[in-house]
Amino acid sequence: DAKTTQPPSMDCAEGRAANLPCNHSTISGNEYVYWYRQIHSQGPQYIIHGLKNNETNEMASLIITEDRKSSTLILPHATLRDTAVYYCIVRVRSGNTPLVFGKGTRLSVIA
Amino acid sequence: DTGVSQNPRHKITKRGQNVTFRCDPISEHNRLYWYRQTLGQGPEFLTYFQNEAQLEKSRLLSDRFSAERPKGSFSTLEIQRTEQGDSAMYLCASSLGASGVETQYFGPGTRLLVL
Repeated sequence: DAKTTQPPSMDCAEGRAANLPCNHSTISGNEYVYWYRQIHSQGPQYIIHGLKNNETNEMASLIITEDRKSSTLILPHATLRDTAVYYCIVRVRSGNTPLVFGKGTRLSVIA
Repeated sequence: DTGVSQNPRHKITKRGQNVTFRCDPISEHNRLYWYRQTLGQGPEFLTYFQNEAQLEKSRLLSDRFSAERPKGSFSTLEIQRTEQGDSAMYLCASSLGASGVETQYFGPGTRLLVL
């Protein structure tokens, strides 16, 4: 079972920041937080991951609370192409484990 | 394109027929994963290879399913005697397993419809 809890859906106005929350209250010290997204009828796309520090890349920013029990994915200027299902996943560092997906958050970016 | 590729992209078959899907991972990625995704759900893990060795299989992988990765490069997933419940998107992902954090990259998937 997924170790994360996400709202089933969210709306965001085009050009505004989209803030997608994720709860992972049972996360262990050796587990990372990963975010993927899946645009309709495509395979999941890797976005970002982090352990305890905030992370930023060209796609998004990841803010992890100090107690690591929750995180927020931020898309700073959402576009219509960001409409997708966003999955938050926790996973151990030592790599060879499958990803356990929940149902994710369906983000709709509205013009 | 140097990403993960999957063929075919779509497959329609009749119940009882056998089907085979192919996945070509990112070059030099030694780990390859298969997932299945049904409508409205997130992907679910099926099986995993490191090089040519199949190291883990989910309980979802019934004995009608078999996967191979004979030379540690491309992989095939075969479903024998297909059932309507096998209708789903079959996703392949690859990663470079080394020390440190490993990121899986997914292909576009093969959508199977069993009539």
